[in-house]
Amino acid sequence: EPEVTQTPSHQVTQMGQEVILRCVPISNHLYFYWYRQILGQKVEFLVSFYNNEISEKSEIFDDQFSVERPDGSNFTLKIRSTKLEDSAMYFCASSEGRGVADTQYFGPGTRLTVL
Amino acid sequence: RKEVEQDPGPFNVPEGATVAFNCTYSNSASQSFFWYRQDCRKEPKLLMSVYSSGNEDGRFTAQLNRASQYISLLIRDSKLSDSATYLCVVNGGSGGYNKLIFGAGTRLAVHP
Repeated sequence: EPEVTQTPSHQVTQMGQEVILRCVPISNHLYFYWYRQILGQKVEFLVSFYNNEISEKSEIFDDQFSVERPDGSNFTLKIRSTKLEDSAMYFCASSEGRGVADTQYFGPGTRLTVL
Repeated sequence: RKEVEQDPGPFNVPEGATVAFNCTYSNSASQSFFWYRQDCRKEPKLLMSVYSSGNEDGRFTAQLNRASQYISLLIRDSKLSDSATYLCVVNGGSGGYNKLIFGAGTRLAVHP
């Protein structure tokens, strides 16, 4: 069964450093997403991406964040200057379309720890 | 008012029990409704989509009441493997068609 993959599984970084989280969506999917989950809290939407541009973003997704699809398979989330409060689990998701019936499939997540 | 509200639980039930979870959502423009399951420190996994007519998948039954903005999940004959957090999820409606809005989850613990 096709699945979304993410690397690394765990990233530790110092405050102020840049991090890039990587995702490989399911191959025939066209819509890509990033969500985050701070420990003990709910999953929160960050951004959606289609046709090489952001289609929607949340208030959390400020200028410190950016997304990119650098090639035909990878989808990345960059945090330019990490803060302590960026420590969270980051989930990538993808869906085939954007219709009401289109399920979003989640990757296993990257645990980001900012020290 | 929270966008998606769930009873956090935990629900502690014996194997074989029937358990019901409820959820309310605030955005009347939401069009897609789901139950996801999340195991500890893992990704959310789709359990089932929820339709107005109600739908059933084995031991799981989901219901949607659009007028009341209320979603439910019924699990019959609980198994130990059902222990997890159950996430009520809706799409963002007119404010975010593809954006999924998650509830904080209801924890279920099934014991022998």
